[in-house]
Amino acid sequence: NAGVTQTPKFQVLKTGQSMTLQCAQDMNHNSMYWYRQDPGMGLRLIYYSASEGTTDKGEVPNGYNVSRLNKREFSLRLESAAPSQTSVYFCASSEFPDGEQFFGPGTRLTVL
Amino acid sequence: GDSVTQMEGPVTLSEEAFLTINCTYTATGYPSLFWYVQYPGEGLQLLLKATKADDKGSNKGFEATYRKETTSFHLEKGSVQVSDSAVYFCALSPGYSSASKIIFGSGTRLSIRP
Repeated sequence: NAGVTQTPKFQVLKTGQSMTLQCAQDMNHNSMYWYRQDPGMGLRLIYYSASEGTTDKGEVPNGYNVSRLNKREFSLRLESAAPSQTSVYFCASSEFPDGEQFFGPGTRLTVL
Repeated sequence: GDSVTQMEGPVTLSEEAFLTINCTYTATGYPSLFWYVQYPGEGLQLLLKATKADDKGSNKGFEATYRKETTSFHLEKGSVQVSDSAVYFCALSPGYSSASKIIFGSGTRLSIRP
């Protein structure tokens, strides 16, 4: 049981480049989430998917898009990266939206 | 709306000291309460939880009691170790709808001196 996995672990982009962060869970969870965590700050929800086939905006969705590819996978896309998107990105999953969340190890993204 | 407020850090203690990290909440329903811990360079992991009033969650020597009368869920440990250095997040699940998401506090950084 790997839990929640994220790829890549580290990434450096130039301003304007695009990339997709991948997340997968093997716990058969219904709900998945993308958060960002900036230095000295708490978590901010970017997007979430309450169940397969649905996605909703969180607190800070601008500049991001998501795809719930299937029940296991939930990807986050940056279409045109900006330095303000330099952050650590965490994916999480839960059986239901109000349940305990399980987190991945994070992706450390730097945009130059 | 529902919210969680936890004490600002950083909190710095000596090894074997007593720890309290305060957490209070506002909720309209009957929330479940959680403490998550984030060790350096890692994702968050659940430390303990309580699902109803007067429940006590405990794990790894940490405890927290769900107090409805004071709307609090303070985290305590009797004797901290250097390995407890981490960021601690209080969180609640609103409980009035299965579609409601967990709400996290802003986190409290704890540093333990040897």
